[in-house]
Amino acid sequence: AQTVTQSQPEMSVQEAETVTLSCTYDTSESDYYLFWYKQPPSRQMILVIRQEAYKQQNATENRFSVNFQKAAKSFSLKISDSQLGDAAMYFCAYRSAGFGNEKLTFGTGTRLTIIP
Amino acid sequence: GAVVSQHPSWVICKSGTSVKIECRSLDFQATTMFWYRQFPKQSLMLMATSNEGSKATYEQGVEKDKFLINHASLTLSTLTVTSAHPEDSSFYICSARGSRRNNEQFFGPGTRLTVL
Repeated sequence: AQTVTQSQPEMSVQEAETVTLSCTYDTSESDYYLFWYKQPPSRQMILVIRQEAYKQQNATENRFSVNFQKAAKSFSLKISDSQLGDAAMYFCAYRSAGFGNEKLTFGTGTRLTIIP
Repeated sequence: GAVVSQHPSWVICKSGTSVKIECRSLDFQATTMFWYRQFPKQSLMLMATSNEGSKATYEQGVEKDKFLINHASLTLSTLTVTSAHPEDSSFYICSARGSRRNNEQFFGPGTRLTVL
C-alpha cells in the first residue's frame, strides 16, 4: 500500500517570503500522480499543483512549484512571494496511474500560517 | 467548469436517525465518486469509491451497512449514514472524476454532520 508522509505539522512564513513544504511517499509503482491540495478555513479542497511521475520536469503554477525527486520519493512544494490568502492546510496526495484505481492517499497535512 | 456540490452543508440530527448527504457534479458526468471523512485537524480518509450503476467499494474498516452509498446517475451520488451515533459526527467530503484516464478529482465543499 502507498503511504504519504508530511513531517511538518505546522509552518509559518513572513508575507512575501518563500516557504517549502515537505512530502515523502512510499510506493512500488513506477507510474503515478502526485498532488498538492490546499484546504482553507472554508474546508473546500483546492488543487494547487499536480505532477506526473513520468515527467522529469518539475510542475509550476504561478507562485507554486514542486521539487520532484522520484528516486528519493520526495515531492516538496515551494510557495514564492507568500500571500495572506495562502494560509491554509496543505495536503500532499498520491494517486496510482492505473485505470480503475484512482483513489487518493493523503498525507497528514501541514498548516501554513502567513505572518503579515 | 468542474463544479461539485454537496447538500446539505451542515446537518444536526438525533442519535439513532439516518441522514442522507447528496453529492452532485454540476457540469460534467462523474463516472466515479469518492466519499471521504475528515475528523478535526486530521487528514481526509477515503471511505468508499462508487462507480455509476455499480456497488460501492468500501475501504477496510468502513461499515458498508452503516454508510450506504448509491451512485444511481452520472451526476449524483448519495451517502446515507444509518442509525447515526455521536461518534459518526464528522466532516464528510465527496469528490468526483470524469471518464478520462488522467481526469483529476474535483471536491465538493463538504458536509458537517453533528449527531446529538
